[in-house]
Amino acid sequence: QITLKESGPTLVKPTQTLTLTCTFSGFSLTTTGVAVNWIRQPPGKALEWLALIYWDDDNRYSPSLKNRLTITKDTSKNQVVLTMTNMDLVDTATYYCAQSVTNGPFHYWGQGTLVTVSS
Amino acid sequence: SYELTQPPSVSVSPGQTASITCSGDKLADKYICWYQQKPGQSPVVVIYEDRKRPSGIPERFSGSNSGNTATLTIRGTQGMDEADYYCQTWDRSTVIFGGGTKLTVL
Repeated sequence: QITLKESGPTLVKPTQTLTLTCTFSGFSLTTTGVAVNWIRQPPGKALEWLALIYWDDDNRYSPSLKNRLTITKDTSKNQVVLTMTNMDLVDTATYYCAQSVTNGPFHYWGQGTLVTVSS
Repeated sequence: SYELTQPPSVSVSPGQTASITCSGDKLADKYICWYQQKPGQSPVVVIYEDRKRPSGIPERFSGSNSGNTATLTIRGTQGMDEADYYCQTWDRSTVIFGGGTKLTVL
């Protein structure tokens, strides 16, 4: 059974750095083709893909946010960490992590974590 | 950068057929997935690789992809199908989501 769960602060101040952790089980991030993705959704708005990290440590970022994002993995802990710098009010959103295989669909998602940016 | 365009809303009467479109340049050259998202829930795949249904997804959900347009079709739409629907594809190893379509069953 594959599960993913996001964790991190629920409230951050503008200009701060957000650090989110995705803890997963039921698969290995050392298996060829596997990746963990981060996706966010502002309240009432659309899904927005942020970043992914592959089993081989390769990574990809949203072109519009790449200067603010860093994604890393710890395979021994089954965790993927996303950091986003210089948080702004418009970054208020539910942040999800999701698994993909060989650039396929996101069959497995976490429950999401709501991050509010406010002073 | 690559973009996917969806209509913001679609309305359908119960029992009728709903069609939700997703447009992009030469979209047929890519695989499309469709996600259903109900309020307060994480998205769920209803169609992947243009027309495949995951196990547990009712047969009334189907997909197609031709030219510049992919279509999610829901036949015999039920009240439980009322949700937001998102199309998604991959472009140069990055992920693209459409803007989402709110399906109203009334």
